[in-house]
Amino acid sequence: QQQVKQSPQSLIVQKGGISIINCAYENTAFDYFPWYQQFPGKGPALLIAIRPDVSEKKEGRFTISFNKSAKQFSLHIMDSQPGDSATYFCAASERTDKLIFGTGTRLQVFP
Amino acid sequence: DAGVIQSPRHEVTEMGQEVTLRCKPISGHDYLFWYRQTMMRGLELLIYFNNNVPIDDSGMPEDRFSAKMPNASFSTLKIQPSEPRDSAVYFCASSLPAAYGYTFGSGTRLTVV
Repeated sequence: QQQVKQSPQSLIVQKGGISIINCAYENTAFDYFPWYQQFPGKGPALLIAIRPDVSEKKEGRFTISFNKSAKQFSLHIMDSQPGDSATYFCAASERTDKLIFGTGTRLQVFP
Repeated sequence: DAGVIQSPRHEVTEMGQEVTLRCKPISGHDYLFWYRQTMMRGLELLIYFNNNVPIDDSGMPEDRFSAKMPNASFSTLKIQPSEPRDSAVYFCASSLPAAYGYTFGSGTRLTVV
């Protein structure tokens, strides 16, 4: 019940395309859903986050869509750029408890 | 703020040796987390502290692993004795309550030969 399932494991997108990464969870007590971006040799960095009282949050080219009834949330990267090539992790937490991370998606954006 | 500072960045050691990884969290952050990252298992939470007190160490793989946080500005993760399967990147992260998001350090790449 504590798991966060992430897909796909890897994703190849052409420059200018839309990248979509999906996550699903079981614990209905989760109330915070962040996405982290990790470049090679670096630690994960917070990209964008959402709470379950809204269905969508947008920051620049990055959008989180949240479906509370389906217990799913996704990251959309519009106009994907080669500089977006990185590993992306979804995560979830219950109140102020520890974050539970998904298994990661390696995104490659080709020119 | 310099962010979360980890040392060393790289560590190569022989099997059976003691390894100590160090972390300085962001000043004012109440929570400190130790994660291990491998290709096979992804990001695994090993242990986390709140106000220097260990809260959950259920992810510590074996008694060979121990972690301490003697004060708000310093934590260590020790492996004794080390084994080749401990080879991984170890991350330290700190945060206000998790709802505010973690700040990760740059990690320590540990290789046990």
